[in-house]
Amino acid sequence: DVKVTQSSRYLVKRTGEKVFLECVQDMDHENMFWYRQDPGLGLRLIYFSYDVKMKEKGDIPEGYSVSREKKERFSLILESASTNQTSMYLCASSSLGDSAQATDTQYFGPGTRLTVL
Amino acid sequence: QKEVEQDPGPLSVPEGAIVSLNCTYSNSAFQYFMWYRQYSRKGPELLMYTYSSGNKEDGRFTAQVDKSSKYISLFIRDSQPSDSATYLCAMSTTSGTYKYIFGTGTRLKVLA
Repeated sequence: DVKVTQSSRYLVKRTGEKVFLECVQDMDHENMFWYRQDPGLGLRLIYFSYDVKMKEKGDIPEGYSVSREKKERFSLILESASTNQTSMYLCASSSLGDSAQATDTQYFGPGTRLTVL
Repeated sequence: QKEVEQDPGPLSVPEGAIVSLNCTYSNSAFQYFMWYRQYSRKGPELLMYTYSSGNKEDGRFTAQVDKSSKYISLFIRDSQPSDSATYLCAMSTTSGTYKYIFGTGTRLKVLA
């Protein structure tokens, strides 16, 4: 079974703090993703990475950065946390598989609920 | 207009009912259609995956895609209280794309 783990389930930080969210997958997947999930807005892609040290901006990258130094680990960094970054953060991973065979589907971690005060 | 529309619910049904969950979309290039189930305070888990049009069945779950109407459905037969969750549809275009477009989710409550 694919396993995607996230470093914290719940996190409370203060405005202006630097925040690190870590994600680890154990299936040797090439692709890793960070999303945020907000009521009424669904899942929105922040960043994704298709290889070590490679990254691409998603739909809402402002205020975030990412790091992928090892294939299994993808970190999301909030350089200076703000209250509007209070959200559920979800990490996902997928392989470079065959779409017709469903081997490239995204698998999600349990999420980190971040509150910025 | 959003690329993917999904009724947020909540949808409440009695145990044993047949549930129909739906998404509409505007981008005719979508070819891959997924349904995820998300329990409260957990991450989404993949439930069904369909390529192009047609039906796919897995146990009590059936996924349907009607590309001519740009409409996808998930049917749950003999619904159970354990099916109470939020159901998210997701879709993507051609093979090799990394980008999924998600619906906002429909909250389902199955009453015992």
